[in-house]
Amino acid sequence: GAVVSQHPSWVICKSGTSVKIECRSLDFQATTMFWYRQFPKQSLMLMATSNEGSKATYEQGVEKDKFLINHASLTLSTLTVTSAHPEDSSFYICSARGTGSAYEQYFGPGTRLTVT
Amino acid sequence: AQSVTQLGSHVSVSEGALVLLRCNYSSSVPPYLFWYVQYPNQGLQLLLKYTTGATLVKGINGFEAEFKKSETSFHLTKPSAHMSDAAEYFCAVSVFYTGGFKTIFGAGTRLFVKA
Repeated sequence: GAVVSQHPSWVICKSGTSVKIECRSLDFQATTMFWYRQFPKQSLMLMATSNEGSKATYEQGVEKDKFLINHASLTLSTLTVTSAHPEDSSFYICSARGTGSAYEQYFGPGTRLTVT
Repeated sequence: AQSVTQLGSHVSVSEGALVLLRCNYSSSVPPYLFWYVQYPNQGLQLLLKYTTGATLVKGINGFEAEFKKSETSFHLTKPSAHMSDAAEYFCAVSVFYTGGFKTIFGAGTRLFVKA
């Protein structure tokens, strides 16, 4: 149980275009979803937290107009990188928390974004 | 603010030797602590977690960690390293915010295992 999927697993896009990444909780309802980014050989940095039906809360230093997060249902959250640039190339990992635990998050497999 | 500090960005051990990866936390309240492993170009895999109760926590793949409140530590150990243990290891803590808890990660420690 508690499986989180991401789609796509990797994506290449051209500079200036937008790309959408999906995060789904497959067997539970995710009341809260989290988005992290990970640069090569670095740790995971929390970008934002979203509750279903509410606006996302962004961490300090994260551009909310650039990284659009939508959590429209209890099983789906999307991250859209708008006007992507090469410096946005990174590994994006989502995680989800259900109603069963206040603190435990389940992580997706990640999406590798390369902006050319 | 709650956080975790991993001592040593790289650790190298010989196959069969003890693995010790260090993690210290800062928290004013009892923390929820985790260890994750990440293999190259893959997502995270939960090794073990500490919430409440027994301070010695056993996880998958022969790993265990001991929560020591007096030392604010949660070090990860494995008695005998295997080549397949070579990976990146992250210590993490659940931090309370107005919406609940969110997981914050340490900088990570890369484990090398020599034949």
